[in-house]
Amino acid sequence: GENVEQHPSTLSVQEGDSAVIKCTYSDSASNYFPWYKQELGKRPQLIIDIRSNVGEKKDQRIAVTLNKTAKHFSLHITETQPEDSAVYFCAASKRASGTYKYIFGTGTRLKVLA
Amino acid sequence: DVKVTQSSRYLVKRTGEKVFLECVQDMDHENMFWYRQDPGLGLRLIYFSYDVKMKEKGDIPEGYSVSREKKERFSLILESASTNQTSMYLCASILPAGQGNTEAFFGQGTRLTVV
Repeated sequence: GENVEQHPSTLSVQEGDSAVIKCTYSDSASNYFPWYKQELGKRPQLIIDIRSNVGEKKDQRIAVTLNKTAKHFSLHITETQPEDSAVYFCAASKRASGTYKYIFGTGTRLKVLA
Repeated sequence: DVKVTQSSRYLVKRTGEKVFLECVQDMDHENMFWYRQDPGLGLRLIYFSYDVKMKEKGDIPEGYSVSREKKERFSLILESASTNQTSMYLCASILPAGQGNTEAFFGQGTRLTVV
């Protein structure tokens, strides 16, 4: 069936270092790949997304890359700060039944150590 | 600013009880979703709805049903709660496909404990 694998499950980095989270999806019909950040006790919120016709997208310290051939996409956070500590979810989405069906990864708990 | 509101932050119910989780969105979105979030398993789709009175099963619908009588409200129903349904439940809504923005907006979550 459709699934999204996400690695690592936990990641600790020193403040100022970079963090990379990787996802692999199985459904080649997926064409939208969002990343959500969930801070402790709060709702997931979109931080960046990429569509299948684009290979890379950057927004300040955050970037996402997509390799459609390999069905891989990754989140890159540079110059990490303590407020980047959260759980990050990737998702692969495709059009289905008049909407977009999302399949989420299992999440990565990022800890930025001061 | 889109607002998705879930009626309760915390619920404690007994095994066998019928449980209603309510979700309301104020942006006229047609598509609404219910997920459960468990450690190490991420967000798993229970049910979704793309229109009033329309519903589709997600990946883990067993033990759940839903109701969408009005566009702004999507209810998740546990017909007979069991301890393995103890979890965090998240509601989300998005615009219809083809309207550009496919960002999912989440509610704040309901942490349900079944004892």
